[in-house]
Amino acid sequence: AQTVTQSQPEMSVQEAETVTLSCTYDTSESDYYLFWYKQPPSRQMILVIRQEAYKQQNATENRFSVNFQKAAKSFSLKISDSQLGDAAMYFCAYKTSGSRLTFGEGTQLTVNP
Amino acid sequence: DAGVIQSPRHEVTEMGQEVTLRCKPISGHNSLFWYRQTMMRGLELLIYFNNNVPIDDSGMPEDRFSAKMPNASFSTLKIQPSEPRDSAVYFCASSVRRQGGSPLHFGNGTRLTVT
Repeated sequence: AQTVTQSQPEMSVQEAETVTLSCTYDTSESDYYLFWYKQPPSRQMILVIRQEAYKQQNATENRFSVNFQKAAKSFSLKISDSQLGDAAMYFCAYKTSGSRLTFGEGTQLTVNP
Repeated sequence: DAGVIQSPRHEVTEMGQEVTLRCKPISGHNSLFWYRQTMMRGLELLIYFNNNVPIDDSGMPEDRFSAKMPNASFSTLKIQPSEPRDSAVYFCASSVRRQGGSPLHFGNGTRLTVT
C-alpha cells in the first residue's frame, strides 16, 4: 500500500523568508502523481501544486516550487517570500491514475510578521 | 465554475439520529470522493465513485455508513444511526477520471457534531 509521510507536524517562518516542507512517500509504482494541498482555517482544501512522476523538471507555481527526488521518493515544497496568507495546514498527497488520493499527516505552517 | 457544493456546512445532531450529507460535483467531472477528516486519523477516504458507480468502499467504517450517487450531479453520504465518534469534517471532492493525474477539487466540507 502507498503511504505518504510528513515528518514535520509544525513549521514556522518569518514573513518574506523561505520555508521548505518535507514529504516522503512509499510506492512500487513508476507512474504516479504528487500534490500539495493547503488548508487554511476556513478548512477548504486548496490545490497548491502538482507534479507528474515521469517529468524530471520540478513544478513551479509563482512563489511555490517543489524539489522532486524520484529515486529518494521525496517531494518537498518550497515557499518563497512567505506571506501571512500562507499560514495554513499543508498536505502532501499521492495518487496513481484512476486511483484514490492518499494524504500525509499534514504540516501546520505559521507565518510570523 | 461553482466548484464542488456541499450541504449542510454544519450539522449538529443527537446520537442515534440519521444524518444525510449532500454533494454536487463540478459539472463534467466523472469521479467523486468522500473523505473524512479528524484530528486523530487525518484525511481518510471513505468511498469513491467513477461514472456514478462505487469503485472502492473499503474505507467506509461500518454498516451504519452508506453512500449513493443516483446521477452525475448528486451524491449523498448517510449515517444511520449516528454516534459521537462520527463527529468529524466530511469532504466531498470530484475530478476528471480520464486524466489520470487530474487533481481533486474539494468542497468546503460539512462539520458534523454528534452529541
